[in-house]
Amino acid sequence: QQQVKQSPQSLIVQKGGISIINCAYENTAFDYFPWYQQFPGKGPALLIAIRPDVSEKKEGRFTISFNKSAKQFSLHIMDSQPGDSATYFCAASKMNDYKLSFGAGTTVTVRA
Amino acid sequence: DADVTQTPRNRITKTGKRIMLECSQTKGHDRMYWYRQDPGLGLRLIYYSFDVKDINKGEISDGYSVSRQAQAKFSLSLESAIPNQTALYFCATSDHLRGFGGYTFGSGTRLTVV
Repeated sequence: QQQVKQSPQSLIVQKGGISIINCAYENTAFDYFPWYQQFPGKGPALLIAIRPDVSEKKEGRFTISFNKSAKQFSLHIMDSQPGDSATYFCAASKMNDYKLSFGAGTTVTVRA
Repeated sequence: DADVTQTPRNRITKTGKRIMLECSQTKGHDRMYWYRQDPGLGLRLIYYSFDVKDINKGEISDGYSVSRQAQAKFSLSLESAIPNQTALYFCATSDHLRGFGGYTFGSGTRLTVV
């Protein structure tokens, strides 16, 4: 069974809109939560990551929101651009383990 | 050259054949991983290695074996390929000696078993 549940499976957003992808986990030992971005024909690449001691982390147009009590975290893509069209994976791992468990992935399509 | 190189990029093989997927890295990372990607399932861990003498099974290791020939090389073998092993396979590396900075993935091997 997947340790990290990701939704939605796909989404379409207009250029300039906000894309939101949600993930939930059960294992309270997880304490490292990265997001990976994958373009067709390429391997996933680290986009942004957060630890549970903060509730939000922003890097450019990408923001992770983290809710420790709900065991949920989400990725927000602000001002979405066609170049953001990709598959996004959330993941989680334990401290000092870093053996990542991935969500099922979300395919984001940004329409111009 | 890519930091993590996987060969071959594409492979079609027949049921029952043995096949090896290879991965090499130039990043000097100590840890290496093999994942498979299937639509709707994300990436699932097959095997991982913390160093040359440390090999560990992941969540879906049945039907697979690995070899860590050197710090920079980690190969995945399918001893007797079956159609449900058709998938996209990724090798990844991570650095724990100098501080974890996430995984670096190769570009993947698309394997089709007919």
